[in-house]
Amino acid sequence: GENVEQHPSTLSVQEGDSAVIKCTYSDSASNYFPWYKQELGKRPQLIIDIRSNVGEKKDQRIAVTLNKTAKHFSLHITETQPEDSAVYFCAASRYSGAGSYQLTFGKGTKLSVIP
Amino acid sequence: DSGVTQTPKHLITATGQRVTLRCSPRSGDLSVYWYQQSLDQGLQFLIQYYNGEERAKGNILERFSAQQFPDLHSELNLSSLELGDSALYFCASSVEGGGRRLDGYTFGSGTRLTVV
Repeated sequence: GENVEQHPSTLSVQEGDSAVIKCTYSDSASNYFPWYKQELGKRPQLIIDIRSNVGEKKDQRIAVTLNKTAKHFSLHITETQPEDSAVYFCAASRYSGAGSYQLTFGKGTKLSVIP
Repeated sequence: DSGVTQTPKHLITATGQRVTLRCSPRSGDLSVYWYQQSLDQGLQFLIQYYNGEERAKGNILERFSAQQFPDLHSELNLSSLELGDSALYFCASSVEGGGRRLDGYTFGSGTRLTVV
């Protein structure tokens, strides 16, 4: 089955700096890669996703890049703000028919933005 | 509101007891997934149901069971509870099939279970 590795497990940055979180996956057939943000005690929320037919996607201060050859994808947050402090999870999946859709999550990165 | 409804939000119970957690997926979503998240831990996949049938199983204990009903809501039953079962239990749902574009899971707000 799919295996997703996520690094680093914790990350501290100064407000205004950039943060990068990296994930690798094992299944070359995976084709969908979402990122989730989870604030303390709250539900994980989808913040951005990328599909295997594109290499990069950007939404305001966040961007995701995908390297299919190397089987890794990354989340980039620019101009970090204290409200970006949260745990971020990457995930990977492939869809092969009805009922087959399962996301495999990384173990999470706890991002702390220091004011 | 994510559209995925979980009840109850909080549950406190004693060791050895049995509880039932309930999840209603987003309208139109056929798949329901259950996850366990202990303190400062990641998302541990428990089980998936698709249109009433079990489709995938993760690290679900034998003391735990789940089902999905014809109206697509799902219940997670936890029995012979132990202190270590204290955790946040999330339900998520996803859209798939029928030509709809696949997207990420939508999570409910979770049920916080405390076993004392």
